[in-house]
Amino acid sequence: DGGITQSPKYLFRKEGQNVTLSCEQNLNHDAMYWYRQDPGQGLRLIYYSQIVNDFQKGDIAEGYSVSREKKESFPLTVTSAQKNPTAFYLCASSSSGRVNTGELFFGEGSRLTVL
Amino acid sequence: GEDVEQSLFLSVREGDSSVINCTYTDSSSTYLYWYKQEPGAGLQLLTYIFSNMDMKQDQRLTVLLNKKDKHLSLRIADTQTGDSAIYFCAETFSGGYNKLIFGAGTRLAVHP
Repeated sequence: DGGITQSPKYLFRKEGQNVTLSCEQNLNHDAMYWYRQDPGQGLRLIYYSQIVNDFQKGDIAEGYSVSREKKESFPLTVTSAQKNPTAFYLCASSSSGRVNTGELFFGEGSRLTVL
Repeated sequence: GEDVEQSLFLSVREGDSSVINCTYTDSSSTYLYWYKQEPGAGLQLLTYIFSNMDMKQDQRLTVLLNKKDKHLSLRIADTQTGDSAIYFCAETFSGGYNKLIFGAGTRLAVHP
């Protein structure tokens, strides 16, 4: 079945450590996104990538880094510079076809807790 | 700038209709969306409406769009306990490729 897989689902980190969240899609989508979700604040865009080897900062990129070496993979690293990293992280992808409603397909999310 | 606003909480009785409201700011949005999020899970697209439409109906779901007031609503008929979730309104971001701007989400609680 086609979809987006995020791992791990739950992750605990000590302060000062970098962690990398995995996101893989087999939908053959060109565009991929990382969102952060906090209670009562909705989703905020961290980074997005429209094509392999290219990505742009979203609204809250500070303290995060990404790479897009393969079409199907868009890992997110939460660095020690991120001041408040405890959150639910959602990866998404979208098609770039001619008939494009802009719909995003989401993974199941990764919950990061800093101890 | 772009902004999408929703009320945070709605409680309804099972079998009644639910109406979730949303206001947005970007009048050039091509599509507007309703996503559903169940606890601990990702978001799933419920429905979307093209900006030149006033209404879209899909089984128990009715979407109404008032472009003049930049108001979007989602009506769920015969609400069931399985409809309990967070519902997100989203608009396309005119300045970027396939970027969506999300509201904070409305938590729908359905009680017997």
